[in-house]
Amino acid sequence: DVKVTQSSRYLVKRTGEKVFLECVQDMDHENMFWYRQDPGLGLRLIYFSYDVKMKEKGDIPEGYSVSREKKERFSLILESASTNQTSMYLCASSPPGTGEGQPQHFGDGTRLSIL
Amino acid sequence: SQQGEEDPQALSIQEGENATMNCSYKTSINNLQWYRQNSGRGLVHLILIRSNEREKHSGRLRVTLDTSKKSSSLLITASRAADTASYFCATRERGSTLGRLYFGRGTQLTVWP
Repeated sequence: DVKVTQSSRYLVKRTGEKVFLECVQDMDHENMFWYRQDPGLGLRLIYFSYDVKMKEKGDIPEGYSVSREKKERFSLILESASTNQTSMYLCASSPPGTGEGQPQHFGDGTRLSIL
Repeated sequence: SQQGEEDPQALSIQEGENATMNCSYKTSINNLQWYRQNSGRGLVHLILIRSNEREKHSGRLRVTLDTSKKSSSLLITASRAADTASYFCATRERGSTLGRLYFGRGTQLTVWP
């Protein structure tokens, strides 16, 4: 089974801090994704990556950056954390986008609180 | 927005009853997927239906797709308390090569013992 592991289940940081959220997958998937999930808003895509060192902006990239130096690891960076970035962050991975039927495999999420 | 929309937002039923959730979307799709999320956990893929399919079954799950109406439904038969979760539909746009999915806001299903 595919395993997507997020480094922390819960994280508390202060405004202005630089925050790193780490995600590792063990299935050699090309695609990796970062979402945030807020009540009533569903999942919103922040960034995704379809190859090492490649990245694409999602719908809400402002205030975030990403890093993918190795295929199995995708990091989300909050450059200067703000209280409106308090949320549940979900990482996912999937095989390449070509062809049909590429379900995404999710980690258990990081609940981040910015004080 | 390209996001799908689930209906209803919340559904409460008794064990043994059937639960039906609907999803509408806006663009032409390659496939539509349903996911489940238990409280405080990540999403788990349930079932995928391709644009040229009209119905698909997996255990107690039945998914239908009507591309002319841009809608899908997920039916859970003989529901159990353990089915309590949020359910999301997600669409993959036709012609997409990057594997991106567009998720809806979800339906919260509560099944009472």
